[in-house]
Amino acid sequence: EAGVTQFPSHSVIEKGQTVTLRCDPISGHDNLYWYRRVMGKEIKFLLHFVKESKQDESGMPNNRFLAERTGGTYSTLKVQPAELEDSGVYFCASSQLRTSGGGPYNEQFFGPGTRLTVL
Amino acid sequence: KQEVTQIPAALSVPEGENLVLNCSFTDSAIYNLQWFRQDPGKGLTSLLLIQSSQREQTSGRLNASLDKSSGRSTLYIAASQPGDSATYLCAGNAAGNNRKLIWGLGTSLAVNP
Repeated sequence: EAGVTQFPSHSVIEKGQTVTLRCDPISGHDNLYWYRRVMGKEIKFLLHFVKESKQDESGMPNNRFLAERTGGTYSTLKVQPAELEDSGVYFCASSQLRTSGGGPYNEQFFGPGTRLTVL
Repeated sequence: KQEVTQIPAALSVPEGENLVLNCSFTDSAIYNLQWFRQDPGKGLTSLLLIQSSQREQTSGRLNASLDKSSGRSTLYIAASQPGDSATYLCAGNAAGNNRKLIWGLGTSLAVNP
Protein backbone atom coordinates (compact mmCIF):
# COMPACT_ATOMS: atom_id res chain seq x y z
CA GLU A 1 0.00 0.00 0.00
CA ALA A 2 1.47 3.35 -1.02
CA GLY A 3 1.91 5.90 1.73
CA VAL A 4 1.12 9.60 1.76
CA THR A 5 3.08 11.44 -0.90
CA GLN A 6 3.83 15.12 -1.18
CA PHE A 7 5.16 17.26 -3.99
CA PRO A 8 7.49 19.06 -4.26
CA SER A 9 9.92 17.98 -1.57
CA HIS A 10 11.53 21.41 -1.57
CA SER A 11 10.48 24.78 -2.91
CA VAL A 12 12.43 28.03 -2.83
CA ILE A 13 10.53 31.12 -3.93
CA GLU A 14 10.75 34.86 -3.54
CA LYS A 15 8.45 36.93 -1.41
CA GLY A 16 5.31 37.80 -3.32
CA GLN A 17 5.36 34.71 -5.52
CA THR A 18 2.80 31.92 -5.49
CA VAL A 19 3.46 28.32 -4.54
CA THR A 20 1.19 25.28 -4.68
CA LEU A 21 1.87 22.21 -2.60
CA ARG A 22 0.27 18.89 -3.38
CA CYS A 23 -0.62 15.93 -1.19
CA ASP A 24 -1.81 12.49 -2.26
CA PRO A 25 -3.30 10.62 0.71
CA ILE A 26 -3.40 6.89 1.25
CA SER A 27 -6.06 5.47 -1.03
CA GLY A 28 -9.40 5.12 0.73
CA HIS A 29 -8.63 7.54 3.54
CA ASP A 30 -11.44 10.04 4.01
CA ASN A 31 -9.53 12.33 6.35
CA LEU A 32 -6.77 14.58 5.06
CA TYR A 33 -4.85 17.05 7.21
CA TRP A 34 -2.33 19.81 6.63
CA TYR A 35 0.18 20.76 9.32
CA ARG A 36 3.14 23.14 9.36
CA ARG A 37 6.35 23.30 11.33
CA VAL A 38 8.14 26.61 11.52
CA MET A 39 11.78 26.39 12.63
CA GLY A 40 12.09 26.15 16.38
CA LYS A 41 8.37 25.80 16.97
CA GLU A 42 6.05 22.84 17.39
CA ILE A 43 4.09 21.36 14.50
CA LYS A 44 0.78 23.16 14.15
CA PHE A 45 -2.49 22.09 12.60
CA LEU A 46 -3.69 24.03 9.57
CA LEU A 47 -6.84 22.31 8.36
CA HIS A 48 -8.76 19.07 8.01
CA PHE A 49 -10.79 17.68 5.10
CA VAL A 50 -13.33 14.91 5.29
CA LYS A 51 -13.55 13.74 1.72
CA GLU A 52 -13.91 16.95 -0.29
CA SER A 53 -15.34 19.06 2.54
CA LYS A 54 -13.39 21.31 4.86
CA GLN A 55 -14.16 20.06 8.35
CA ASP A 56 -11.92 22.41 10.31
CA GLU A 57 -9.78 25.23 8.95
CA SER A 58 -9.21 26.96 12.25
CA GLY A 59 -5.43 26.72 11.90
CA MET A 60 -5.10 28.50 8.57
CA PRO A 61 -2.93 31.57 9.21
CA ASN A 62 -4.71 34.03 6.93
CA ASN A 63 -6.47 34.38 3.60
CA ARG A 64 -3.24 34.04 1.66
CA PHE A 65 -3.60 30.29 2.20
CA LEU A 66 -6.10 28.32 0.14
CA ALA A 67 -6.60 24.57 0.40
CA GLU A 68 -8.68 22.39 -1.88
CA ARG A 69 -9.39 18.72 -2.16
CA THR A 70 -10.80 17.96 -5.56
CA GLY A 71 -13.19 15.01 -5.62
CA GLY A 72 -12.05 13.93 -2.20
CA THR A 73 -8.75 12.59 -3.51
CA TYR A 74 -5.57 14.66 -3.60
CA SER A 75 -5.29 18.05 -1.97
CA THR A 76 -3.47 21.26 -2.84
CA LEU A 77 -2.37 24.06 -0.56
CA LYS A 78 -1.71 27.35 -2.32
CA VAL A 79 0.10 30.27 -0.76
CA GLN A 80 -0.46 33.54 -2.61
CA PRO A 81 1.38 35.84 -2.21
CA ALA A 82 4.06 34.16 -0.12
CA GLU A 83 5.65 36.03 2.79
CA LEU A 84 8.90 35.36 4.63
CA GLU A 85 7.09 33.98 7.69
CA ASP A 86 5.50 31.26 5.55
CA SER A 87 8.80 29.41 5.42
CA GLY A 88 8.69 26.03 7.09
CA VAL A 89 7.93 22.39 6.51
CA TYR A 90 4.40 21.59 5.42
CA PHE A 91 3.20 18.12 6.31
CA CYS A 92 0.17 16.30 5.00
CA ALA A 93 -1.45 13.38 6.78
CA SER A 94 -4.34 11.06 6.08
CA SER A 95 -6.41 8.71 8.18
CA GLN A 96 -9.48 6.55 8.23
CA LEU A 97 -11.48 6.27 11.43
CA ARG A 98 -11.42 2.67 12.60
CA THR A 99 -12.71 0.62 15.52
CA SER A 100 -10.89 -1.94 17.60
CA GLY A 101 -11.37 -3.60 20.97
CA GLY A 102 -10.43 -0.32 22.58
CA GLY A 103 -13.03 1.63 20.68
CA PRO A 104 -12.72 4.00 17.72
CA TYR A 105 -9.32 5.39 16.83
CA ASN A 106 -7.89 7.72 14.24
CA GLU A 107 -4.25 6.99 13.40
CA GLN A 108 -2.75 9.62 11.15
CA PHE A 109 -0.09 8.74 8.61
CA PHE A 110 2.23 11.44 7.39
CA GLY A 111 3.93 12.30 4.16
CA PRO A 112 7.59 13.33 3.96
CA GLY A 113 6.72 17.03 3.97
CA THR A 114 7.47 19.95 1.68
CA ARG A 115 10.19 22.31 2.83
CA LEU A 116 9.20 25.81 1.74
CA THR A 117 11.72 28.63 1.81
CA VAL A 118 10.56 32.16 1.05
CA LEU A 119 13.38 34.60 0.33
CA LYS B 1 -7.04 24.20 25.36
CA GLN B 2 -4.77 21.24 24.86
CA GLU B 3 -1.05 21.81 25.28
CA VAL B 4 1.64 19.16 24.98
CA THR B 5 5.07 19.31 26.62
CA GLN B 6 7.98 16.95 26.12
CA ILE B 7 10.87 16.45 28.50
CA PRO B 8 13.80 16.29 28.05
CA ALA B 9 14.37 18.39 24.94
CA ALA B 10 17.53 16.43 24.17
CA LEU B 11 19.03 13.22 25.44
CA SER B 12 22.35 11.51 24.75
CA VAL B 13 22.91 7.97 25.97
CA PRO B 14 25.36 5.12 25.37
CA GLU B 15 24.21 2.18 23.33
CA GLY B 16 22.35 -0.50 25.27
CA GLU B 17 20.68 1.76 27.83
CA ASN B 18 16.99 1.62 28.55
CA LEU B 19 15.45 5.06 28.40
CA VAL B 20 12.23 6.92 28.97
CA LEU B 21 10.87 9.89 27.08
CA ASN B 22 8.16 11.94 28.72
CA CYS B 23 5.12 13.69 27.32
CA SER B 24 2.59 15.66 29.35
CA PHE B 25 -0.70 17.16 28.25
CA THR B 26 -3.03 19.62 29.91
CA ASP B 27 -6.46 18.30 28.95
CA SER B 28 -7.31 14.79 30.11
CA ALA B 29 -10.16 14.62 27.60
CA ILE B 30 -7.72 13.18 25.11
CA TYR B 31 -8.94 10.87 22.40
CA ASN B 32 -5.77 9.32 21.01
CA LEU B 33 -2.11 9.87 21.76
CA GLN B 34 0.44 9.10 19.08
CA TRP B 35 4.20 8.82 19.27
CA PHE B 36 6.19 9.63 16.14
CA ARG B 37 9.77 9.46 15.05
CA GLN B 38 11.44 11.96 12.74
CA ASP B 39 14.85 11.41 11.22
CA PRO B 40 16.79 14.48 10.05
CA GLY B 41 15.32 15.86 6.85
CA LYS B 42 12.71 13.13 6.74
CA GLY B 43 8.99 12.83 7.40
CA LEU B 44 7.10 11.64 10.45
CA THR B 45 6.81 7.94 11.13
CA SER B 46 4.01 6.79 13.42
CA LEU B 47 5.41 4.50 16.11
CA LEU B 48 2.53 3.81 18.45
CA LEU B 49 -1.03 5.00 18.99
CA ILE B 50 -2.73 4.68 22.37
CA GLN B 51 -6.47 5.00 22.50
CA SER B 52 -8.08 6.82 25.41
CA SER B 53 -9.41 3.55 26.80
CA GLN B 54 -5.98 1.92 26.78
CA ARG B 55 -3.09 2.14 29.22
CA GLU B 56 -0.22 1.06 27.01
CA GLN B 57 0.90 -0.20 23.63
CA THR B 58 3.98 -2.18 22.67
CA SER B 59 5.87 -2.58 19.44
CA GLY B 60 9.17 -4.43 19.54
CA ARG B 61 11.54 -2.59 21.88
CA LEU B 62 9.10 0.30 22.26
CA ASN B 63 6.44 0.60 24.93
CA ALA B 64 4.18 3.62 25.30
CA SER B 65 1.94 4.22 28.29
CA LEU B 66 -0.90 6.64 28.84
CA ASP B 67 -2.15 7.96 32.19
CA LYS B 68 -5.01 10.33 31.50
CA SER B 69 -5.57 11.21 35.15
CA SER B 70 -2.07 12.62 35.52
CA GLY B 71 -1.90 13.91 31.96
CA ARG B 72 1.19 11.92 31.06
CA SER B 73 2.49 9.53 28.47
CA THR B 74 5.88 7.88 28.41
CA LEU B 75 7.77 6.17 25.62
CA TYR B 76 10.10 3.47 26.88
CA ILE B 77 12.89 2.31 24.58
CA ALA B 78 14.62 -0.88 25.66
CA ALA B 79 18.24 -1.72 24.82
CA SER B 80 18.78 1.42 22.77
CA GLN B 81 20.74 1.24 19.52
CA PRO B 82 22.48 3.92 17.41
CA GLY B 83 19.72 3.47 14.84
CA ASP B 84 17.25 4.80 17.41
CA SER B 85 18.84 8.24 17.12
CA ALA B 86 16.11 10.61 15.93
CA THR B 87 13.62 13.15 17.22
CA TYR B 88 10.65 11.65 19.01
CA LEU B 89 7.39 13.58 19.06
CA CYS B 90 4.17 12.98 20.88
CA ALA B 91 0.84 14.37 19.75
CA GLY B 92 -2.64 14.23 21.22
CA ASN B 93 -6.07 15.34 20.23
CA ALA B 94 -7.58 18.61 21.29
CA ALA B 95 -10.46 18.56 23.74
CA GLY B 96 -13.75 18.05 21.96
CA ASN B 97 -11.99 17.38 18.68
CA ASN B 98 -10.88 13.87 18.08
CA ARG B 99 -9.22 14.60 14.81
CA LYS B 100 -6.55 17.30 14.79
CA LEU B 101 -3.31 16.64 16.64
CA ILE B 102 -1.65 18.98 19.13
CA TRP B 103 2.11 18.51 19.21
CA GLY B 104 5.01 18.69 21.60
CA LEU B 105 8.35 20.10 20.51
CA GLY B 106 9.99 16.69 20.61
CA THR B 107 12.94 15.02 22.28
CA SER B 108 16.12 14.77 20.24
CA LEU B 109 17.74 11.43 21.05
CA ALA B 110 21.33 10.47 20.32
CA VAL B 111 22.43 6.91 21.03
CA ASN B 112 26.18 6.66 20.98
CA PRO B 113 27.99 3.46 19.95
